[in-house]
Amino acid sequence: NAGVTQTPKFQVLKTGQSMTLQCAQDMNHEYMSWYRQDPGMGLRLIHYSVGAGITDQGEVPNGYNVSRSTTEDFPLRLLSAAPSQTSVYFCASSYQQGPGETQYFGPGTRLLVL
Amino acid sequence: GDSVTQMEGPVTLSEEALLTINCTYTATGYPSLFWYVQYPGEGLQLLLKATKADDKGSNKGFEATYRKETTSFHLEKGSVQVSDSAVYFCALSDLAGSEKLVFGKGTKLTVNP
Repeated sequence: NAGVTQTPKFQVLKTGQSMTLQCAQDMNHEYMSWYRQDPGMGLRLIHYSVGAGITDQGEVPNGYNVSRSTTEDFPLRLLSAAPSQTSVYFCASSYQQGPGETQYFGPGTRLLVL
Repeated sequence: GDSVTQMEGPVTLSEEALLTINCTYTATGYPSLFWYVQYPGEGLQLLLKATKADDKGSNKGFEATYRKETTSFHLEKGSVQVSDSAVYFCALSDLAGSEKLVFGKGTKLTVNP
């Protein structure tokens, strides 16, 4: 199993550009989520999905869109990038939703918005 | 709302030293508690967890005990190695918001030979 994969590893955008961060998992996990990691802030939840066709907002959803058309994929879209979205983005998945479930993280995408 | 507070770093230790990273939490329910570790250039991976009071999680020589009375989940290791150099995150997930992990800010550990 490849686990959770993310592409690209690094991206530079100009303000106002759009892009999609890709996330895929091959563990047949129902639950997937996106976090952003900023210095001194820990990780904060952006959006999550409990299964194909179902998504919901996390703590910091503004400026991001998601969709979940398959169990395997959970892309994160930035429609109009802003410098405040400079961050490291992590995708995570778990077998099911629940307070004791272990989440498996991808290697991250480092995004710089100029 | 739920929150996690962990000791600020960075922490620098010599090899074979004792490690303690403090973590306390605030939660409305009965959360599950986690320690995740992030090695340089990598994503986070689960180090250990505990799902109810008085449970002890352990892995790779690290331990943490879920203390409900002090709302704490301190991470300990008796003898650290250079390979333990990483950022350590305490996190919780509770029944009310079980889709969400709430993270502390992270503690960077550097172990020198």
